[in-house]
Amino acid sequence: AQTVTQSQPEMSVQEAETVTLSCTYDTSESNYYLFWYKQPPSRQMILVIRQEAYKQQNATENRFSVNFQKAAKSFSLKISDSQLGDTAMYFCAFMKHEWRRSNYQLIWGAGTKLIIKP
Amino acid sequence: KAGVTQTPRYLIKTRGQQVTLSCSPISGHRSVSWYQQTPGQGLQFLFEYFSETQRNKGNFPGRFSGRQFSNSRSEMNVSTLELGDSALYLCASSSLTGGANTEAFFGQGTRLTVV
Repeated sequence: AQTVTQSQPEMSVQEAETVTLSCTYDTSESNYYLFWYKQPPSRQMILVIRQEAYKQQNATENRFSVNFQKAAKSFSLKISDSQLGDTAMYFCAFMKHEWRRSNYQLIWGAGTKLIIKP
Repeated sequence: KAGVTQTPRYLIKTRGQQVTLSCSPISGHRSVSWYQQTPGQGLQFLFEYFSETQRNKGNFPGRFSGRQFSNSRSEMNVSTLELGDSALYLCASSSLTGGANTEAFFGQGTRLTVV
């Protein structure tokens, strides 16, 4: 069974600073996807960034980037130039690469509450 | 393009009652999955439907059930409600056509309170 661990329950940084959220996972699968989702107080779960395990290059989306270490099973999220609107819960999630067949299922970490202070 | 719509947004029910929650996916998406979110257990997978068939189910009792209609709209039902069923129920839809289209788009959830 797959597990996802986020060891930082809460983090707080000043606006414009850089912050890194940690995520580790455990799996015996070789093909999978990893995601970071953001859940603001509105409760809407929003995809921040996606990484396909077979791709060695780290994914980036504007101010968001990941450090994907497949051997170490680590998938951290870096937010550069943090903004007040980045305040939210951040969830790391894992999905096996079997969505075409029968297993479109996200396994979630416990989440990290990120607070950006003005 | 309209997003994922969940109704109702809030619901209060009494122990022992049953409840039905609805999810309308993004047009063209055939996969709908459901998650339960609680402070204690976090986010847990309930089940996933694809083309009206339940393909996968999480570790929940039989009181939790669902279905998907031919237009891909999905409903989940919880019978004999317990206090522990109080949670935010999230629905996600996906087109599952590969690559970037593995992304799951979420609704705003239904907040169920059991009293």
